[in-house]
Amino acid sequence: DGGITQSPKYLFRKEGQNVTLSCEQNLNHDAMYWYRQDPGQGLRLIYYSQIVNDFQKGDIAEGYSVSREKKESFPLTVTSAQKNPTAFYLCASSADFLRTGQETQYFGPGTRLLVL
Amino acid sequence: KNEVEQSPQNLTAQEGEFITINCSYSVGISALHWLQQHPGGGIVSLFMLSSGKKKHGRLIATINIQEKHSSLHITASHPRDSAVYICAVRGYSGGGADGLTFGKGTHLIIQP
Repeated sequence: DGGITQSPKYLFRKEGQNVTLSCEQNLNHDAMYWYRQDPGQGLRLIYYSQIVNDFQKGDIAEGYSVSREKKESFPLTVTSAQKNPTAFYLCASSADFLRTGQETQYFGPGTRLLVL
Repeated sequence: KNEVEQSPQNLTAQEGEFITINCSYSVGISALHWLQQHPGGGIVSLFMLSSGKKKHGRLIATINIQEKHSSLHITASHPRDSAVYICAVRGYSGGGADGLTFGKGTHLIIQP
């Protein structure tokens, strides 16, 4: 089945530690996104990538890093510089809007990150 | 940057009731999305609208571009409709990935 997978479902981070959240899609989508969701707030864009080996900062990129070495994969690293990392992290993907006119975003199940 | 406001923030209704969730935005858009988030956290895209009205099963979404307003309706509501419904808009700044702005969501509970 086509879709987006995220792992792990829950992740615990210790002080000063970097952690990496996995996101994989087999939808052959060009664009991938990382969002952060906090209670009572709308989703906020952390990073996005429209093509392999290219990515752009979103609204709240500080303390995060990403890579896009393969079309299928867009891992997010939460670095020790992110002082308030506890949140629900959602990965999404979509077809190339400019090429296809299709912009429906497909979301993964999310990873909940907690700080110990 | 577009401001997206949803109302109500919370809504509790009885099974079978007709439900309306509203979304207003401040700046002209190229498209509006309605998303559904279940208690486990997963998000599903329900509709993408740029004008008029769309229907899928018991769900109906409408948009009024002039009034910068969209509504999501649920007919014959059922407890399985209980979820957070999120409105998101894409502006005209470009067709790329950076254009979506999200509302805070409406938490809907349908009681049996």
